Amino acid sequence: TQLLEQSPQFLSIQEGENLTVYCNSSSVFSSLQWYRQEPGEGPVLLVTVVTGGEVKKLKRLTFQFGDARKDSSLHITAAQPGDTGLYLCAGGQYGGATNKLIFGTGTLLAVQP
Amino acid sequence: DTEVTQTPKHLVMGMTNKKSLKCEQHMGHRAMYWYKQKAKKPPELMFVYSYEKLSINESVPSRFSPECPNSSLLNLHLHALQPEDSALYLCASSQRAGGVNEQFFGPGTRLTVL
Repeated sequence: TQLLEQSPQFLSIQEGENLTVYCNSSSVFSSLQWYRQEPGEGPVLLVTVVTGGEVKKLKRLTFQFGDARKDSSLHITAAQPGDTGLYLCAGGQYGGATNKLIFGTGTLLAVQP
Repeated sequence: DTEVTQTPKHLVMGMTNKKSLKCEQHMGHRAMYWYKQKAKKPPELMFVYSYEKLSINESVPSRFSPECPNSSLLNLHLHALQPEDSALYLCASSQRAGGVNEQFFGPGTRLTVL
């Protein structure tokens, strides 16, 4: 069974602090996506990384795909209350006509004003 | 149009009721998905449709019956549900079911089974 473990599971920080969320697996993925989900809403796609070592930036968010494509990280600089939500990584694997996303265990982030 | 819509937003049903959840997208995507999500947990895949054909059923109980009438619509028919089926039901779509498979989610239907 493929697993994507996220850490930390929960994180409560003050506005303006920096944080990093990790997404780790023993399996190799062809792509890695990050989603953010707010209460009562569906997940919203933030970024997709496909190349080992790839780094992508989205305003204050920096995403990195591990060299071996088994892990990823999300770094948020100067967190704001609007960053509050459930962060999910999801790994995809090529090779079939239908590829399932393997979702990570989730990181619940609360940014206090 | 770059969104996935779901109706209803909330649904309360008894264990003997029959109801349906609806999902629609107009992005030209040819893959559509149903997920079930419990509070503060990741989504769990239930079904995948590719080109209007069911391609994955994750051993979902038969009280959940999916239907894909056309490339833009996805339904989930519910019958004789159990209280443990109460959850957020999410629909998603992607351009294709293979490859990078970036999925776009709807806002979900919050289902409560009494």
